Amino acid sequence: AQSVTQPDIHITVSEGASLELRCNYSYGATPYLFWYVQSPGQGLQLLLKYLSGDTLVQGIKGFEAEFKRSQSSFNLRKPSVHWSDAAEYFCAVGSRYALNFGKGTSLLVTP
Amino acid sequence: EAGVVQSPRYKIIEKKQPVAFWCNPISGHNTLYWYLQNLGQGPELLIRYENEEAVDDSQLPKDRFSAERLKGVDSTLKIQPAELGDSAVYLCASSLAAGLALNEQFFGPGTRLTVL
Repeated sequence: AQSVTQPDIHITVSEGASLELRCNYSYGATPYLFWYVQSPGQGLQLLLKYLSGDTLVQGIKGFEAEFKRSQSSFNLRKPSVHWSDAAEYFCAVGSRYALNFGKGTSLLVTP
Repeated sequence: EAGVVQSPRYKIIEKKQPVAFWCNPISGHNTLYWYLQNLGQGPELLIRYENEEAVDDSQLPKDRFSAERLKGVDSTLKIQPAELGDSAVYLCASSLAAGLALNEQFFGPGTRLTVL
C-alpha cells in the first residue's frame, strides 16, 4: 500500500530564510509525487509534481522539490520564504488515478 | 475561467439530520472527486466519477453517504443521518480526465461541516 509521511506538523521560518519541508513515501513502484498548498479558505493548489525523469522538479511560486529514490523522499524547498507562503503544505503520492495525501505541514512565517 | 464551485461553504447541523453538499466542476472536466478532510489530516478520497459513472466509491461509507452526478456535470454528496464524527471539510475536485500523470486535479474551497 502507498503512504506518505510528513514528519513535521509545524514549521516556523523567518521571512527571507530558506525552507525545506520533508516528505517520505512508501510505494512499491516508482511513484507519482506531488506537493500541494492550502491557504485558509482556499482550495488545494498544485505546486509541482514528479512523474519520471529529472529528479529535481521546478514548480510555481519559486518552489522546487527533489526526488531521492534511495531515501524514499520528495522534499520541498524554497530559497527565500515570503510572508504569503504561510499555509498548509501537503505531500501526496499517486498511482494511476488515486492520490494519497500526507497529514500536512503547517508553515508559519515570522517577520 | 471559474474554478471548482462548492456550496454551501459552511454548514452547521444537529446530529441525525441530513445534509447535502453541491459541487460544480470546471467546465469541460469529465472527472470529479469528493474528498473528506478531517482536522489536522490530509484529504481522503471518498468517490471518483468519470462523467456520470462512479468508478471508485470504495471509500464511501454507503450506510449513510450517497453521491450523484446525474448529467455528468455538477454533483451532490449527501449524508443521512449525520453523526458527530462527520464534522470535517468536504472537498470537491475536478480534472479533464482521470489519469494523474496528465490531468491536474483542481480543488474547490470545500464545505466545512459541523455536527452538533
